[in-house]
Amino acid sequence: EAQVTQNPRYLITVTGKKLTVTCSQNMNHEYMSWYRQDPGLGLRQIYYSMNVEVTDKGDVPEGYKVSRKEKRNFPLILESPSPNQTSLYFCASIKAGNRALSYEQYFGPGTRLTVT
Amino acid sequence: KDQVFQPSTVASSEGAVVEIFCNHSVSNAYNFFWYLHFPGCAPRLLVKGSKPSQQGRYNMTYERFSSSLLILQVREADAAVYYCACLNTGFQKLVFGTGTRLLVSP
Repeated sequence: EAQVTQNPRYLITVTGKKLTVTCSQNMNHEYMSWYRQDPGLGLRQIYYSMNVEVTDKGDVPEGYKVSRKEKRNFPLILESPSPNQTSLYFCASIKAGNRALSYEQYFGPGTRLTVT
Repeated sequence: KDQVFQPSTVASSEGAVVEIFCNHSVSNAYNFFWYLHFPGCAPRLLVKGSKPSQQGRYNMTYERFSSSLLILQVREADAAVYYCACLNTGFQKLVFGTGTRLLVSP
């Protein structure tokens, strides 16, 4: 079954304590992306990756890092989390294409992070 | 700047046809994507394309810079957040709107 998995699903942590949210896909997609979802702001892209060892900043990259050492995994790293990073995070795996017919974006189930 | 615009809230009654409007200023974007998001679940693609299309109770209208999602015979269970998105084909990036919360009254 094609899927995107994220771990953990829920996390409560304290300011400054480094954390990693893992993301894995089994569809052999080259493109992967991280979003955060906040009330009234919708889905905002944090980072994306077009292939192994290729990553780029999205719209709200401050305070986050990513890595793409292998195709299936795209972890999101918060080196020193702060309360303004409390949010719902979604990983997505993307089958790229210039036309809608060939472009598919699959979301993971989400990770709810609370930073106190 | 690449942006997608949609209303924050739309209210409807059960059994009605509800329309959620979206327009954009995304570069090189010719396709709309409509996603449904229930709390605690992954956003799910409802319908997409560069022309009017239909998937079950979901209809998508299409103009070059705007689209509407029409939900036929709306039910209370349809109450959720609906995202409109446009594909910037140059960067292969999906730009999302801020989401529209659909409220359904009995």
